[in-house]
Amino acid sequence: QVTLKESGPVLVKPTETLTLTCTVSGFSLSNAKMGVSWIRQPPGKALEWLGHIFSNDEKSYSTSLRTRLTISKDTSKSLVVLTMTNVDPVDTATYFCARRGGVYNFLDYWGQGTLVTVSS
Amino acid sequence: DIQMTQSPSSLSASVGDTVTITCRASQSVSSYLNWYQQKLGKAPQLLIYAASSLQSGVPSRFSGIGSGTGFTLTISSLQPEDFATYYCQQSFIAPWTFGQGTKVEIK
Repeated sequence: QVTLKESGPVLVKPTETLTLTCTVSGFSLSNAKMGVSWIRQPPGKALEWLGHIFSNDEKSYSTSLRTRLTISKDTSKSLVVLTMTNVDPVDTATYFCARRGGVYNFLDYWGQGTLVTVSS
Repeated sequence: DIQMTQSPSSLSASVGDTVTITCRASQSVSSYLNWYQQKLGKAPQLLIYAASSLQSGVPSRFSGIGSGTGFTLTISSLQPEDFATYYCQQSFIAPWTFGQGTKVEIK
């Protein structure tokens, strides 16, 4: 079955770089229909789409965060990595990865999410 | 960026009620509109994709309609497990933006 799982640090200091990994199973990152998005949700707030990586390695990013974000993948290891530079306490959130399920770019499978706190 | 606006932000309803949530896009998103349900402390779950297609395994009391800039999600005969927050998302033009959410609470 399809699963995604986020992993990474629970606590990060301001100005540091955050690196999160999404480990996927049940599908291949090289499948033309597939891709993985990153989404975050600050405590008590709405979902915010961060970016996406397609099977052909094309990427899209949030306009407000594009200078700080990098998404990459290792197809052989079934991993998608999100890197966010220069973090700030406002980046405290639960970070989710989710699979693109088809040509309408809907996100049909989600990881459980990982809470990242930015604090000194 | 395309702005997605949901209304209402919250509503109270009773079991058995029919509930309608509206989502408006700041420009046309064609039919690239998806609806998600999120329960407290859980990851969102896809309900409707491409404006009106029911995701596999989702009860038929959930339905969606719309195209262009106006969309609605309807929940017929609200069940106890439907009390949650609902989000629309456009996936037509990156960045794929979400609405601010609609919280459905028990009256």
